[in-house]
Amino acid sequence: GAGVSQSPSNKVTEKGKDVELRCDPISGHTALYWYRQSLGQGLEFLIYFQGNSAPDKSGLPSDRFSAERTGGSVSTLTIQRTQQEDSAVYLCASSLADSSYEQYFGPGTRLTVT
Amino acid sequence: KQEVTQIPAALSVPEGENLVLNCSFTDSAIYNLQWFRQDPGKGLTSLLLIQSSQREQTSGRLNASLDKSSGRSTLYIAASQPGDSATYLCAVRLLSGGGADGLTFGKGTHLIIQP
Repeated sequence: GAGVSQSPSNKVTEKGKDVELRCDPISGHTALYWYRQSLGQGLEFLIYFQGNSAPDKSGLPSDRFSAERTGGSVSTLTIQRTQQEDSAVYLCASSLADSSYEQYFGPGTRLTVT
Repeated sequence: KQEVTQIPAALSVPEGENLVLNCSFTDSAIYNLQWFRQDPGKGLTSLLLIQSSQREQTSGRLNASLDKSSGRSTLYIAASQPGDSATYLCAVRLLSGGGADGLTFGKGTHLIIQP
C-alpha cells in the first residue's frame, strides 16, 4: 500500500511569511508524528497525534508553530512569521496504535527561509 | 531527559567486512528501540524494532541487540555491500508515553562501504 506522503517536497519562503506543511499518513494509522531535522541538530520530535488530538504540544519550538489533524487522517503543520532558524527538513511519521507503535516516515519537506 | 549517543559518528570500511554500530541511551525505562537508515535527501527507512522485553532482532544481514539495563544497543551488519552506505539512526521511545510518544534520536553513524 502507499506509504506516508508529504507535500510540498520543497518550500522556499521569505522571512515573515506563513507556511503550511501537509502529511498524509498510511491508511489506518491512528498515530501521527512530526519531527524536524536541522543540520548539526539531528532529529527533533515536535508533536504527535492520537486520532485528532495532540496530548502534548510542549515539543513545538515556539508559539509560531501549530499543528492540527482532521478526520483522523491528514495533518498540517503551520509555521507563522517564519524565521531563518526554521529552515530544516520537516518529517512526518505514522504508526498503528498496537504494541509496537513502529513508526514509518515520509520523505520530508525541505523548508528554506530566505 | 533521555539522551541517545551513537558511536562512531562516521565509518568507512571495505566491502565484505562485518561491522558494528553502537547506540547508548541514558534512561533505561524505554518502551522500545528502533534502528533506521537514511539515504541522502530521503526520509527514514525502518530497519529493526526491538521491544524492551526482547534481546535481539534479525532481518537478513542485519542483527540488532538490546541491553536495556546497561542502556546499549548494537546494530551488526554482516558482509557489508556498497548499497549499505547510508546514515544509520538509533531511536528510543520512553516507557512513560505508553508507546504512543515521539522518538528520541541519536545523531547517527554515517557509513561508507568502499567497493
